[in-house]
Amino acid sequence: QQPVQSPQAVILREGEDAVINCSSSKALYSVHWYRQKHGEAPVFLMILLKGGEQKGHEKISASFNEKKQQSSLYLTASQLSYSGTYFCGTSAGNQFYFGTGTSLTVIP
Amino acid sequence: KAGVTQTPRYLIKTRGQQVTLSCSPISGHRSVSWYQQTPGQGLQFLFEYFSETQRNKGNFPGRFSGRQFSNSRSEMNVSTLELGDSALYLCASSQRLGTGSDTQYFGPGTRLTVL
Repeated sequence: QQPVQSPQAVILREGEDAVINCSSSKALYSVHWYRQKHGEAPVFLMILLKGGEQKGHEKISASFNEKKQQSSLYLTASQLSYSGTYFCGTSAGNQFYFGTGTSLTVIP
Repeated sequence: KAGVTQTPRYLIKTRGQQVTLSCSPISGHRSVSWYQQTPGQGLQFLFEYFSETQRNKGNFPGRFSGRQFSNSRSEMNVSTLELGDSALYLCASSQRLGTGSDTQYFGPGTRLTVL
């Protein structure tokens, strides 16, 4: 039931864009996105709720396709500080599942 | 507001021992969730506490237990430690019950090593 993310890893140059995808085998009612830097705790980026409500970050956007049970995170004009591992997260039943993770590295 | 705090930050135990980890949520947050993070399994949900009651539980054996106090502080206990319990244990607090609909704020984690 763990959501699957793609790609597993991506390397970008500063200023380039990236898309990270999250697919679930279960119906999605909400999708969370978090970023974790090495040795640090995950930090909240965005939450998308069923029905279109979105709460989160100014410089990062995301989409939520309930029918396809997918979400995508869009990072535009990437900065060095965007480097880290990105996780999506969904709730199903009484549990919360984090995705498999996407390692993103931004180089100068 | 102070963030989520966890103690201790690092812990070394031997197989068969038990361990207790502590988490203090952000002031005003009543929900505390616990996660285990390992390189092989990623981030896995352990359980969620709200108003001193366990509300949700992940797929972990009964050796993993927890509790929450009236001030929302939470403790997690692992008994009869196994080598595979070596992990980073993260707690997260949120205002409302139900990890799906509310933002979770994570603490720095406790790095547990079992020898």
